[in-house]
Amino acid sequence: GESVGLHLPTLSVQEGDNSIINCAYSNSASDYFIWYKQESGKGPQFIIDIRSNMDKRQGQRVTVLLNKTVKHLSLQIAATQPGDSAVYFCAETKAGNQFYFGTGTSLTVIP
Amino acid sequence: ETGVTQTPRHLVMGMTNKKSLKCEQHLGHNAMYWYKQSAKKPLELMFVYNFKEQTENNSVPSRFSPECPNSSHLFLHLHTLQPEDSALYLCASSRTGAGLGTGELFFGEGSRLTVL
Repeated sequence: GESVGLHLPTLSVQEGDNSIINCAYSNSASDYFIWYKQESGKGPQFIIDIRSNMDKRQGQRVTVLLNKTVKHLSLQIAATQPGDSAVYFCAETKAGNQFYFGTGTSLTVIP
Repeated sequence: ETGVTQTPRHLVMGMTNKKSLKCEQHLGHNAMYWYKQSAKKPLELMFVYNFKEQTENNSVPSRFSPECPNSSHLFLHLHTLQPEDSALYLCASSRTGAGLGTGELFFGEGSRLTVL
């Protein structure tokens, strides 16, 4: 089966610092990746996605980096805010197949 | 507000009860999904419906029975559940399931199920 893992289950950062959340995936054929944010008591929310023909994509305060050589995905959050405290999941898929999700990294922002 | 609404948000039931979870999406999507989320585990796909037809059933026990009367509504009927079925059940939708992975999933807030 698929294996999508996150390097660290928890991450604490100071407010205003940048956060980096990492994810490793096992299927080299995966061609679409998504980062989700799940706040306590809520469902996962889409943050940013990237296709395998790209290695970087930027959104508002977030950047996703894809390294297909080592099958690694990262989410960078700039100027982390208390509202960024949540669990972050990566998900991978190959078009036409189901998504596979990681277990999540819990980000805590220290005021 | 994600456009995917789940009810009830919390449900406590005994092992002999019969209950149902409901999901409604207002996004005009054609694919709907049930996922199970347990502590410290990845999201587990249970069922997929694409244009009201079930296209995935990931070896889910028969005590979970899905129903999709139209592209906007999805139910999960529950009966004779076990305590290990206690989890957060998430409904999601996407533009199309024919090309799973070609678009993001929109999730509801989930139904927290406790089986006593």
